[in-house]
Amino acid sequence: QKEVEQDPGPLSVPEGAIVSLNCTYSNSAFQYFMWYRQYSRKGPELLMYTYSSGNKEDGRFTAQVDKSSKYISLFIRDSQPSDSATYLCAMRAIAGGTSYGKLTFGQGTILTVHP
Amino acid sequence: DAGVTQSPTHLIKTRGQHVTLRCSPISGHKSVSWYQQVLGQGPQFIFQYYEKEERGRGNFPDRFSARQFPNYSSELNVNALLLGDSALYLCASSKGQVNSDTQYFGPGTRLTVL
Repeated sequence: QKEVEQDPGPLSVPEGAIVSLNCTYSNSAFQYFMWYRQYSRKGPELLMYTYSSGNKEDGRFTAQVDKSSKYISLFIRDSQPSDSATYLCAMRAIAGGTSYGKLTFGQGTILTVHP
Repeated sequence: DAGVTQSPTHLIKTRGQHVTLRCSPISGHKSVSWYQQVLGQGPQFIFQYYEKEERGRGNFPDRFSARQFPNYSSELNVNALLLGDSALYLCASSKGQVNSDTQYFGPGTRLTVL
């Protein structure tokens, strides 16, 4: 079983829709949670960064973390064609041991927003 | 400010050869991490370096090695290339804080092994 599970999709929505992306994880040591956006043949771009449980909002993006359920979400409001990309969730434990600084990623969800 | 830069952009090698990939971090960042991303998968952690010292290592064979230079740039070396080493190799730059250390990625080097 992978430490982080993410539905690869693909997910196709019309412009203006609300998009919900999710990841589940098994390692209770994860404390830091991130969402990255990756356009085709590019490096991942950091979208959201949260610590422990709770919500964080930035413009059209909202990240939620539920540590009791080991479940994180990213919501995109008023989705645009320019949001079409692969969305990667990533997690990190408190620093220590040989995995210091290690980000553990989900597989990525491919999102297409059509006009 | 310039972001993370990586070179070369693309590389084609044959099995058994050796490859060196290079990364320059964001100005002021002292830590560099390397990840391998196989097509259709999320990135996998290979190494993290901070102040020229290895700080973390992922589950990769000894054919993979890296180093960090006094100017905080870094090289990833892969020996005895296998077909399965074909991937996008990503470098991530961070300040190197103990916790809350945000990693910013470069565009990657796409390696094809024939």
